[in-house]
Amino acid sequence: GESVGLHLPTLSVQEGDNSIINCAYSNSASDYFIWYKQESGKGPQFIIDIRSNMDKRQGQRVTVLLNKTVKHLSLQIAATQPGDSAVYFCADTFGNEKLTFGTGTRLTIIP
Amino acid sequence: NAGVMQNPRHLVRRRGQEARLRCSPMKGHSHVYWYRQLPEEGLKFMVYLQKENIIDESGMPKERFSAEFPKEGPSILRIQQVVRGDSAAYFCASSPVGWNEQFFGPGTRLTVL
Repeated sequence: GESVGLHLPTLSVQEGDNSIINCAYSNSASDYFIWYKQESGKGPQFIIDIRSNMDKRQGQRVTVLLNKTVKHLSLQIAATQPGDSAVYFCADTFGNEKLTFGTGTRLTIIP
Repeated sequence: NAGVMQNPRHLVRRRGQEARLRCSPMKGHSHVYWYRQLPEEGLKFMVYLQKENIIDESGMPKERFSAEFPKEGPSILRIQQVVRGDSAAYFCASSPVGWNEQFFGPGTRLTVL
């Protein structure tokens, strides 16, 4: 698999505002994408996933958008809270291959 | 429903010793994955196992590292003759089917002195 990269390593957002975390992937064959949240000292926590036959999927306060044309993935977090402060990773896979993780974006919520 | 369990949470070893990391998958999950994470970096895939089978070990160093997932009991990641470069957080994940929707444990933080 090929590496999945992130545009920004850090992101600071005012509490209550919306956050957008971006991810670029290089393998046009990737067909499954996952966003994980990792708090300090803990394991990654599954947030939301999306398959390549969709362009949008919504969860509780989170939305994932997939743009296959430009190979771009984003995670939108609505009305950010202090508990949203963490490192966010995207990961991708294609077919029956291993997940490839990006380096992560550190999200800091400013009170 | 308990999540993925890993132990120990912290492990300190001296160079040359063996490190043994254990992972119990979520109930009903028969697929186990091991990842390594260095500080401020992403997770690097090491190995994917099902009960009594290694499915993909393409991320495992060729020497000193081994993994197993026996019919009974937890999955074990073993590192023999540890070196300082082995210091990292090792995460285990499990899933009900291959590769998709992996759920992670809290990790074992290995420190090699």
